Amino acid sequence: DGGITQSPKYLFRKEGQNVTLSCEQNLNHDAMYWYRQDPGQGLRLIYYSQIVNDFQKGDIAEGYSVSREKKESFPLTVTSAQKNPTAFYLCASSHRGQGQINQPQHFGDGTRLSIL
Amino acid sequence: QQPVQSPQAVILREGEDAVINCSSSKALYSVHWYRQKHGEAPVFLMILLKGGEQKGHDKISASFNEKKQQSSLYLTASQLSYSGTYFCGTLVGSGGSNYKLTFGKGTLLTVNP
Repeated sequence: DGGITQSPKYLFRKEGQNVTLSCEQNLNHDAMYWYRQDPGQGLRLIYYSQIVNDFQKGDIAEGYSVSREKKESFPLTVTSAQKNPTAFYLCASSHRGQGQINQPQHFGDGTRLSIL
Repeated sequence: QQPVQSPQAVILREGEDAVINCSSSKALYSVHWYRQKHGEAPVFLMILLKGGEQKGHDKISASFNEKKQQSSLYLTASQLSYSGTYFCGTLVGSGGSNYKLTFGKGTLLTVNP
């Protein structure tokens, strides 16, 4: 079955440490996204990529970095510069067509990141 | 800018109806609706495009008022399985093909027996 796989499900970060969250999809989607979810805040866009080797900052990109070397993969690194990384992180993907106007996003099951 | 959803929370008894609203201050190309159950991934419900069309999905339907930049989600004869947080996402363009989806803060819907 096609889908989006995020790993790990739970992740703990020490102070000053960078951690990388994995997101892999086998839906043959061009576009991929990373969202951060905090209680009562909805989903906030961190980074998105519409095509391999290209990505754009979302609304809250500071303290995060991404790469898009393969169509199937869009890893997110939470750097030590992100002072409040505790949150639920969701990865999504969609077809690219027509600027995503009518393309639904499919979400992974998320990674819950906490500070030790 | 995040779209504004109202109400923030609603509690229903099984079989009752509910309306969830989503408003934006920017011109919209489309509105997406998703439902998320606690601890799970959001699940796509429907997309509303410009033109004021109304779409339906079982007993859940939605409308898009382009002039008011507003969308409403209608849940009729609610079932226990409708419980969850409903998010609207509004698509705004910034030129070329560079669009991004901005989600509201969500509406928590609880359906009790």
